[in-house]
Amino acid sequence: KNQVEQSPQSLIILEGKNCTLQCNYTVSPFSNLRWYKQDTGRGPVSLTIMTFSENTKSNGRYTATLDADTKQSSLHITASQLSDSASYICVVSGYFGNEKLTFGTGTRLTIIP
Amino acid sequence: EAGVTQFPSHSVIEKGQTVTLRCDPISGHDNLYWYRRVMGKEIKFLLHFVKESKQDESGMPNNRFLAERTGGTYSTLKVQPAELEDSGVYFCASSQDQGRGKSPLHFGNGTRLTVT
Repeated sequence: KNQVEQSPQSLIILEGKNCTLQCNYTVSPFSNLRWYKQDTGRGPVSLTIMTFSENTKSNGRYTATLDADTKQSSLHITASQLSDSASYICVVSGYFGNEKLTFGTGTRLTIIP
Repeated sequence: EAGVTQFPSHSVIEKGQTVTLRCDPISGHDNLYWYRRVMGKEIKFLLHFVKESKQDESGMPNNRFLAERTGGTYSTLKVQPAELEDSGVYFCASSQDQGRGKSPLHFGNGTRLTVT
């Protein structure tokens, strides 16, 4: 069964600190892995998309890594800001089309001043 | 560029009633998807349109759900009759490409459906 597991479920850090969120998946075959940010009451917004040949991809203060051998990914946030408070969702595509996406339940990140 | 818009943002209906959700994708996006998140669970795929055609509807839970995309523009998702377990947030998303899968999905803000 295709699954995406994220850890931790929730995380609270001080503004300005760094943090790393984890994602393990069992989706096969594998096409790409995506990280989304979802603010409360809003839809998910794409942060990064990585294929199996990409080990790392950055988007501003967000850096995603991918190890396709161990089926693990991480999202590192540098110098956190209050606006980073959101849910971060790991999504894996096991197909070439967008429709075969498997979503994780997300990590709820809270940044406190 | 206008994003994906969904209407209504919230809907509260009684069990047995009918509800219709609407999604307007980003202009020019042929691919339109419906997803659903029930409380405490992950977002799950419902179906995929390419223009006006249903490409994949394997995620539709049962025949109480009917999705349409007349003319290949906006889409509607009708639930008739609604049951308690239909409560959740229904997301619509659109994208430009299909097949290569590297184009990001653009999500709407969702419709929160509560069936009482």
